[in-house]
Amino acid sequence: GQNIDQPTEMTATEGAIVQINCTYQTSGFNGLFWYQQHAGEAPTFLSYNVLDGLEEKGRFSSFLSRSKGYSYLLLKELQMKDSASYLCAGRLTGGGNKLTFGTGTQLKVEL
Amino acid sequence: DTGVSQDPRHKITKRGQNVTFRCDPISEHNRLYWYRQTLGQGPEFLTYFQNEAQLEKSRLLSDRFSAERPKGSFSTLEIQRTEQGDSAMYLCASSTNQQGPPEAFFGQGTRLTVV
Repeated sequence: GQNIDQPTEMTATEGAIVQINCTYQTSGFNGLFWYQQHAGEAPTFLSYNVLDGLEEKGRFSSFLSRSKGYSYLLLKELQMKDSASYLCAGRLTGGGNKLTFGTGTQLKVEL
Repeated sequence: DTGVSQDPRHKITKRGQNVTFRCDPISEHNRLYWYRQTLGQGPEFLTYFQNEAQLEKSRLLSDRFSAERPKGSFSTLEIQRTEQGDSAMYLCASSTNQQGPPEAFFGQGTRLTVV
């Protein structure tokens, strides 16, 4: 298996920057995904990292350090609509794109 | 194509009854996954198909659960003799093993309530 750990809840202010951390076991690791999930809706893909470094996509960036088993999702210029659960998920070699998810970080954006 | 489609969106059933859910993946995707999600948790992997072949099943998938993908297109997940602990959101996802981003696209899910 692959333990995925992330904080349960975070609160941030509209317009600010927030960083959501995720740690995972490195054995067999083959990619790290971030998904956003609004209440009652399907998870939607945000980012994918397989090599070390930062991937930027508009207001969202994701970072990976394979040696440390660590990733973070960075959200800039927070908007109220960014209030959602952010799911960190790891993929294992030979797992056929099967993902192991963390419990999700519930982000609340306040005025 | 409008994405991954699941039916029904909601199902309420009495304990002991059988239920079946359907998933229609994105048409060019050959990989199909079933996950289960309970409140406050991330999705948990149940099973995975590549075309019509079921390649992996989680230990979470007891003998009461069975999944099929007979023609390599849509898939069904059946739960026999439902129990209250089966109440959850059942999510289907699909992906391709072609070159390009390997992300899975999720359907809206079927919310099962066992009373």
